[in-house]
Amino acid sequence: KQEVTQIPAALSVPEGENLVLNCSFTDSAIYNLQWFRQDPGKGLTSLLLIQSSQREQTSGRLNASLDKSSGRSTLYIAASQPGDSATYLCAVRDSNYQLIWGAGTKLIIKP
Amino acid sequence: EAGVTQSPTHLIKTRGQQATLRCSPISGHTSVYWYQQALGLGLQFLLWYDEGEERNRGNFPPRFSGRQFPNYSSELNVNALELEDSALYLCADDRGRYEQYFGPGTRLTVT
Repeated sequence: KQEVTQIPAALSVPEGENLVLNCSFTDSAIYNLQWFRQDPGKGLTSLLLIQSSQREQTSGRLNASLDKSSGRSTLYIAASQPGDSATYLCAVRDSNYQLIWGAGTKLIIKP
Repeated sequence: EAGVTQSPTHLIKTRGQQATLRCSPISGHTSVYWYQQALGLGLQFLLWYDEGEERNRGNFPPRFSGRQFPNYSSELNVNALELEDSALYLCADDRGRYEQYFGPGTRLTVT
């Protein structure tokens, strides 16, 4: 059974720092992996989608990597800003096209 | 293109009543997913509809039900409301490559 874990559960860093959020999964037979952000009380915004054949995807200050063999993905945020404060979730699409969700990392960027 | 839409934005009901939530995927998209997110908790998968049929169901009691219409819009019905049903209900659809996109959510409050 696929399980997705996000560590840490919460992270607080000063503005301007580069940071890495982690997502690990137990079964390497995945279709894709998607990163989202969620602001309090709001819906989820898709950030990046990595297909199983890809190693990384980039969008602006965000870079997501995927290592299927080790069951890991990282979301790298460069030059963090207070507006990046949100909860970040990763979700794995398994071989049956079911989405398996991590519990999220709550990120606070201190001005 | 227009995103996933949900209505109403907020819904207040009393215990024992029924609630109906609505979702419209992006035009032409056939899949609709429903999730529950209780305050401070993670995303819980409720239901997945595709091409008018229920494809998968999460671990929720039968009083949570839904349907998908010929135009692929969807309703989520919650019968015999309980206080713990108070949550943000999120709807999502799949774009190409199984990339999931979310609507803004319906905040259901049960008093």
